[in-house]
Parts: sequence; structure tokens; C-alpha cells
Amino acid sequence: GDSVTQMEGPVTLSEEAFLTINCTYTATGYPSLFWYVQYPGEGLQLLLKATKADDKGSNKGFEATYRKETTSFHLEKGSVQVSDSAVYFCALSGSGGATNKLIFGTGTLLAVQP
Amino acid sequence: DTGVSQDPRHKITKRGQNVTFRCDPISEHNRLYWYRQTLGQGPEFLTYFQNEAQLEKSRLLSDRFSAERPKGSFSTLEIQRTEQGDSAMYLCASSFLLGDTIYFGEGSWLTVV
Repeated sequence: GDSVTQMEGPVTLSEEAFLTINCTYTATGYPSLFWYVQYPGEGLQLLLKATKADDKGSNKGFEATYRKETTSFHLEKGSVQVSDSAVYFCALSGSGGATNKLIFGTGTLLAVQP
Repeated sequence: DTGVSQDPRHKITKRGQNVTFRCDPISEHNRLYWYRQTLGQGPEFLTYFQNEAQLEKSRLLSDRFSAERPKGSFSTLEIQRTEQGDSAMYLCASSFLLGDTIYFGEGSWLTVV
């Protein structure tokens, strides 16, 4: 079945460092890809999305490009802030059926130190 | 526009008791989802409604779990005869159309002691 694999955390960075969180997927069709963020004690918030190959999603300085040839959707940010500390989830949907349900990776904890 | 709201936010119950969670989706969203998230894991799909019809259920949803969405508005998730393995955060989400962004609530934490 469809699945998402994320790099394990925690990822610990100093403020203003460059961030990459790797995400690869397995899907039988042409899924949409997402990054969700979960701050401590809160639910999930959509960070960015891409719906077809070569699309780039971007929001709040974060970017990810839908790479069909490598089945990847890596999350990047040029300069992280302490306020970016959270758990980041890569997810896919729409590969098959009409549910549009999301399939998530296990999440990557990002800790940014001042 | 209010977001997805869930109630209660936290519930501690004794093993064997029944619990019910309520979800109010974003107004006019006709698609509603329930997910379960355990510590250190990503959310796992439980079930999905389009309006009042429950169209898909995960194998994770044992016979002790039941979800309803009367009148296609709010939804309830009931867990009967709770077990310690049911301890998790139960997330509700909604969207308007197929392919639209799925918005999540803040979740309901369940601790079974």
C-alpha cells in the first residue's frame, strides 16, 4: 500500500541554520504531497502542499518540491528560527479511491536552539 | 470562520469504561475524518464521512469503536470497554471538496488507566 518515510529525529539546529528534512513516498498512482506541522500541545496545521510532479510548495520560508523521479518531497528552509521548533509530518493523499485520506510519516522533531 | 473544534480536549478514564468524543467541523465542510495518533507516531486514518454517510473504516477501528455523523454536521466517536492500548490522541479533520485542504482540530487526548 501507499506509505511515507521520513528521516528520524530529533533534528537539532542553531538559529539561522539551514534545514532539510527528507521525505520519500511509495504510491501506486499520482498522489498529492503535504507537509504538516504540529506545535507542542496542538493539532496539525498544513504548512505547504504540491499536487503534481515538479510543483514547489512554499510557506513561511519553507519549501518542498515534488520529485516524481526520486519519489521525494524534502522540506527545506534557509534560516530556521526558535519558533520553528515543532514536529513536522510528511503526508500523501489521493493515490487511489475517493476518500482523499492522508497517509502520514512518523514525524520529525525539530529543535532550534538560540 | 472557526476551525475544527473537539471536545473534550483531555479525558482520563478507567479501563472498561466507555468514552465519547465530539467533533464540530468547519461550517459547510461535508467531508469529516477521524485519525488516531499515538506518542512518537504520525496520525493514522480511522474513518471518513461524506455528509452523514460513513464511507470508509480502517481495520484499526475495532468493534468497540463506533462513529456517527447525524444530519451531516457534528460527529461523535465512541469507544466502548476502553483498554490501555486505546490511550492516544484522537484527531478530527474536515474538508469541503475532494482534493481540498484537510483542516485538523486540536485533538482529544485519551488516557486509559
